[in-house]
Amino acid sequence: QSVLTQPPSVSGAPGQRVTISCTGSNSNIGADYDVHWYQQLPGTAPKLLIYGYSNRPSGVPDRFSGSKSGTSASLAITGLQAEDEADYYCQSYDSLRGRVFGGGTKLTVL
Amino acid sequence: EVQLLESGGGLVQPGGSLRLSCAASGFTFSSYGMSWVRQAPGKGLEWVSTISGRDDSTWYADSVKGRFTISRDNSKNTLYLQMSSLRAEDTAVYYCAKDGGSGSYYNWYLHIWGRGTPVTVSS
Repeated sequence: QSVLTQPPSVSGAPGQRVTISCTGSNSNIGADYDVHWYQQLPGTAPKLLIYGYSNRPSGVPDRFSGSKSGTSASLAITGLQAEDEADYYCQSYDSLRGRVFGGGTKLTVL
Repeated sequence: EVQLLESGGGLVQPGGSLRLSCAASGFTFSSYGMSWVRQAPGKGLEWVSTISGRDDSTWYADSVKGRFTISRDNSKNTLYLQMSSLRAEDTAVYYCAKDGGSGSYYNWYLHIWGRGTPVTVSS
């Protein structure tokens, strides 16, 4: 059981907007530790998508955005494209367990 | 261009040892924290260990504490993970990653990832 909880799967049609939630607790997200998001395309290594809740590394389209509220964080993808089909992971720090990942969310583009 | 190339993975018997290496290029290696993250077959990501660039402070996941040792050789731009007392549940692809973030370790992120090296623990 992951310390950070993500939905196992989400889906959307091309052009739509989808969100992926990452629910934590007062020992991680609620304690104000940053949340980061990674994208893992099939058969490849993970790639940093969002850092510090809402910052995009160079090269990441602005269709991807992150936010935080209380003990949860969210990743939003607008203008969904076929190449966005991948696994998405949130990551933060937990005062009891160290660096932690969510269980991952598989995004399917219909 | 930043590049990370892992090596040293393979098949090892339960209770055995293995040393993974990660050759880094394209950045000032000694200035950055470095981490290992693993992914068991069909499963999610699991952070394993981190070493700082400034003072070689180290951090470990509870699942590997006392069995794995992270180290670095800044003269060779290489990160290591010495794994001992290996168990079947250590079977995974092991990724090396360059850490990002200028503040507290607690908020570092895994900026650049290598392609990974597979480790299989089986008799």
